[in-house]
Amino acid sequence: EDKVVQSPLSLVVHEGDTVTLNCSYEVTNFRSLLWYKQEKKAPTFLFMLTSSGIEKKSGRLSSILDKKELFSILNITATQTGDSAVYLCAVLYGGSQGNLIFGKGTKLSVKP
Amino acid sequence: NAGVTQTPKFQVLKTGQSMTLQCAQDMNHEYMSWYRQDPGMGLRLIHYSVGAGITDQGEVPNGYNVSRSTTEDFPLRLLSAAPSQTSVYFCASSYSTVNSPLHFGNGTRLTVT
Repeated sequence: EDKVVQSPLSLVVHEGDTVTLNCSYEVTNFRSLLWYKQEKKAPTFLFMLTSSGIEKKSGRLSSILDKKELFSILNITATQTGDSAVYLCAVLYGGSQGNLIFGKGTKLSVKP
Repeated sequence: NAGVTQTPKFQVLKTGQSMTLQCAQDMNHEYMSWYRQDPGMGLRLIHYSVGAGITDQGEVPNGYNVSRSTTEDFPLRLLSAAPSQTSVYFCASSYSTVNSPLHFGNGTRLTVT
């Protein structure tokens, strides 16, 4: 069964901390892995990863993919209260247009 | 810059009623999809479409119908609402799932009593 597992499910940190969110997957014919941030409404796109070992970075956020060990991590440095959100990991797999499967998300709460 | 527009934002239905959730995108995206999001379950794919006139089932299609008569619109129909369909529904689109990420609408919160 194809699946995406995120850990931890929830996390509480203080401003300034660094956090690492994990996403592991088991799918057939992997194509890409995506990270989204969901605050109160729609998920917003963060990163798309297709190649192992190449870090993608946007400000204080960065992500990397390990296709051998079948996981990705999302790092957030110097966290701020505005980083509080649910972070979703999704994996695109299969042929043609592919299928997109989401993990259950990690709820991050950043305390002042 | 409308992006993906969903209506209504909130809806309460009685068991057995039918309704249509509207979704429109102005980005000329070929791929459109509907997800439902439930606590502890993540986002689950209901139906999707790879272009006008083409639709297919996702992970949880039962109780829902879709059609895609134009590139812009992808309505989701609930035929006979059930309490198990209480959820938040998201419409999403992309130029191509292979090379571009999904753009999500702001969701419709549906309660079935």
